[in-house]
Amino acid sequence: SQTIHQWPATLVQPVGSPLSLECTVEGTSNPNLYWYRQAAGRGLQLLFYSVGIGQISSEVPQNLSASRPQDRQFILSSKKLLLSDSGFYLCAWSVRGGADTQYFGPGTRLTVL
Amino acid sequence: QQQVKQSPQSLIVQKGGISIINCAYENTAFDYFPWYQQFPGKGPALLIAIRPDVSEKKEGRFTISFNKSAKQFSLHIMDSQPGDSATYFCAASKGTGRRALTFGSGTRLQVQP
Repeated sequence: SQTIHQWPATLVQPVGSPLSLECTVEGTSNPNLYWYRQAAGRGLQLLFYSVGIGQISSEVPQNLSASRPQDRQFILSSKKLLLSDSGFYLCAWSVRGGADTQYFGPGTRLTVL
Repeated sequence: QQQVKQSPQSLIVQKGGISIINCAYENTAFDYFPWYQQFPGKGPALLIAIRPDVSEKKEGRFTISFNKSAKQFSLHIMDSQPGDSATYFCAASKGTGRRALTFGSGTRLQVQP
């Protein structure tokens, strides 16, 4: 069976510090991968998606970036965090070229102070 | 044209009652409409999904009703239980390739015992 992991689960960072969130998927190959952000009491906003290693598409302009160094690894980064970067970050995967269902990870709660 | 509008924002239902959440979309290219259930501090989990070639889909106590001409779809939870208390998100996606989801803003459901 497939599983998706995210870490860390929670993170408190000062403004201006760097960020690295990691997502890994097990039990599948060549998945589509997604990063979403959920602000408190709000819906999910797509940040990045990837259809393969090194292939990243950005949905919204921001100070975040994403990378996919391996097939089942997706990383969200920032060089300098802003207060507005606080939120709940969710990674998701789906079968490339297959069913539409997206499966979400447990999320990372990021607080920028 | 990418919006998915969800209502109500919050809903209180008595145990055993019917919970109804509504969504409306604008982009007629959307062809996949899932509903996700999210408990506090967790990632969303797929509940049920529908495609526009059918008007209704039922899985246990959960039913999606779809009205293509009105560009609306709704989630009905029959015999609502306290364990159903969560935030529910409708979503939509289209086309091929990234298949990223456009989410509604969410409905916080509280089922009172």
